[in-house]
Formats: sequence, C-alpha cells, structure tokens
Amino acid sequence: DADVTQTPRNRITKTGKRIMLECSQTKGHDRMYWYRQDPGLGLRLIYYSFDVKDINKGEISDGYSVSRQAQAKFSLSLESAIPNQTALYFCATSDTGQGSTDTQYFGPGTRLTVL
Amino acid sequence: GDSVTQMEGPVTLSEEAFLTINCTYTATGYPSLFWYVQYPGEGLQLLLKATKADDKGSNKGFEATYRKETTSFHLEKGSVQVSDSAVYFCALKTDSSYKLIFGSGTRLLVRP
Repeated sequence: DADVTQTPRNRITKTGKRIMLECSQTKGHDRMYWYRQDPGLGLRLIYYSFDVKDINKGEISDGYSVSRQAQAKFSLSLESAIPNQTALYFCATSDTGQGSTDTQYFGPGTRLTVL
Repeated sequence: GDSVTQMEGPVTLSEEAFLTINCTYTATGYPSLFWYVQYPGEGLQLLLKATKADDKGSNKGFEATYRKETTSFHLEKGSVQVSDSAVYFCALKTDSSYKLIFGSGTRLLVRP
C-alpha cells in the first residue's frame, strides 16, 4: 500500500464550486504539505503543517484553506473554485525526528480542472 | 531570495547516451540539495541528495556533486535507458527554512 495517498485522483468541477482534496499518510510523519504544480513553474507551496495544531501559509495560499484532522490527514479546500486553480496538486510529508533526512515523500497527485 | 534554475527541456536522447541536466542555485548559508524524479502519472520521488559541499549523491546510476564554488548540482548518468524518461526536479532546502524550493523541472525523453 502507498505511504501517501490522495483522493480523488482526478476531478472536474465548475467555477464557484467548493472542492476538497484529501491526503492521508501511514508514514507517521509530523509534517505535511500541499503543493500545486503548473507547467513550467515547478512546484509551489500552498500550505504546510508541522503538527495537528500548527498550520501555516505557504507562498500561494490565497483562495485555499486547509484542515489537519489528525496526524495522518491533511485536507485542502478550494472554497470557490476558479479556472486558474486548474493544476496538479500534491500532498507531501516529512519527518522531524532525530536523524531526519529532510526528505519529503509525495502522494500520486490530484489533477483538478475548473471549468 | 532563494531559488533554483534548471535547464529548459525537453531533453531528447537515444538509449545509452550520456545525460547531463544542469541545475544552479541561489541561497543563503549552506543548503541541502536534492534531485526528485516524476514518472508519468506519478508523484515525485527522491532520486538523490547532498547535504554539504563536495558531497556526491548517487542512485540508480545517476550522480550529482554539490559544487559550492559554482553553486551547481548537475545531474548526470553515463548511459540512459528508455525507463529513465521522466521529469526531473532540482530542489534546495536551507537550514533556516521549512520548505523545499523547486526548479521548474526538466523533461527527459529517451528513445529506443
């Protein structure tokens, strides 16, 4: 089974709709991240969470919100989707324990299309 | 601010050719450097990393050396295979930061 899972894998929605993307991990990591990937722009950080009570904005948080329901779950919401939020969204995790390697582990991605 | 610059793709090679994908960075302090690979339809996975100057990261026949004097971390492989076709991302993380900073990615296509 995959360590980091994302649902749904693909979603097509209309402008103005509320959308939630979900991420779950079985790695036991404290830190979780949401990125979006756009062609030619690499990955950009939307939000990150260091533990259940610690949530922080990344470089492009406008139009998004998140919820850390448990150590293993981190959801991304688009309250009112707009076409320029069409992108590939990735969840990632990393650990912070002794011997941490700074490595982030990525889910398979959610392809979101906003019409 | 901190940034990563990669050569633009796509890079198209024949099987068994030599590969170089250039990566340079701008950062304060002494960042850790990473190469991630994204195979079609999948998420990113760590390919290799280096945490200090002159370190060489290696994995699956790929290598990259942390060159502080030229602020570079070029990815190389002596003989590519069709299965290496993917998008490759260079990234950095500074000690003072929580996040990875990614380059724009370089698509590699290897033809039989």
